[in-house]
Amino acid sequence: EAGVAQSPRYKIIEKRQSVAFWCNPISGHATLYWYQQILGQGPKLLIQFQNNGVVDDSQLPKDRFSAERLKGVDSTLKIQPAKLEDSAVYLCASSLIGSNGYTFGSGTRLTVV
Amino acid sequence: AQSVSQHNHHVILSEAASLELGCNYSYGGTVNLFWYVQYPGQHLQLLLKYFSGDPLVKGIKGFEAEFIKSKFSFNLRKPSVQWSDTAEYFCAVASGAGSYQLTFGKGTKLSVIP
Repeated sequence: EAGVAQSPRYKIIEKRQSVAFWCNPISGHATLYWYQQILGQGPKLLIQFQNNGVVDDSQLPKDRFSAERLKGVDSTLKIQPAKLEDSAVYLCASSLIGSNGYTFGSGTRLTVV
Repeated sequence: AQSVSQHNHHVILSEAASLELGCNYSYGGTVNLFWYVQYPGQHLQLLLKYFSGDPLVKGIKGFEAEFIKSKFSFNLRKPSVQWSDTAEYFCAVASGAGSYQLTFGKGTKLSVIP
């Protein structure tokens, strides 16, 4: 089966600019997660979707981060405006409902300068 | 809040040496436990997982882990490492019945010297 697709693979932006990341989960996976992985740390959950609804966004910095999954398939994560501390790898993962069997994408490495 | 501790930041071993990576978690209730591996330039991949039953779990590529509830630990082991095991290893926990959100440790980088 095809994996979780993410784009772009790399992005460099200046602080205060905006950026968007895209994720296409595995077909049939209703649950989608966005994680942030800062260098030297483990991934940290930002937001969880089930179909097109948000299950948990308690750790999403809502003053600058937003995410949507309008049709319950693809998802977009946006940062506006970006800060230096947002430099990280943004990982998307998907799973079947009620499953701990995640599949991770390759991630988008964001550098804010 | 749930937390996961991985004791070693960087481990360097020679080929054929035995490996044990420590992982401790803080949650006292029902947990599901995982080890993920990230090879250089690749995405996170599941090595093994524990949900219930036999506390000794076998995963891919000869890895195993033992869940010790009394010690809140889930250490990863491999009897004989290979150069191809060079990677970063992450322990993760999903806590609470019906929870599927993972809390990750900071990771342990393993370097295997030929």
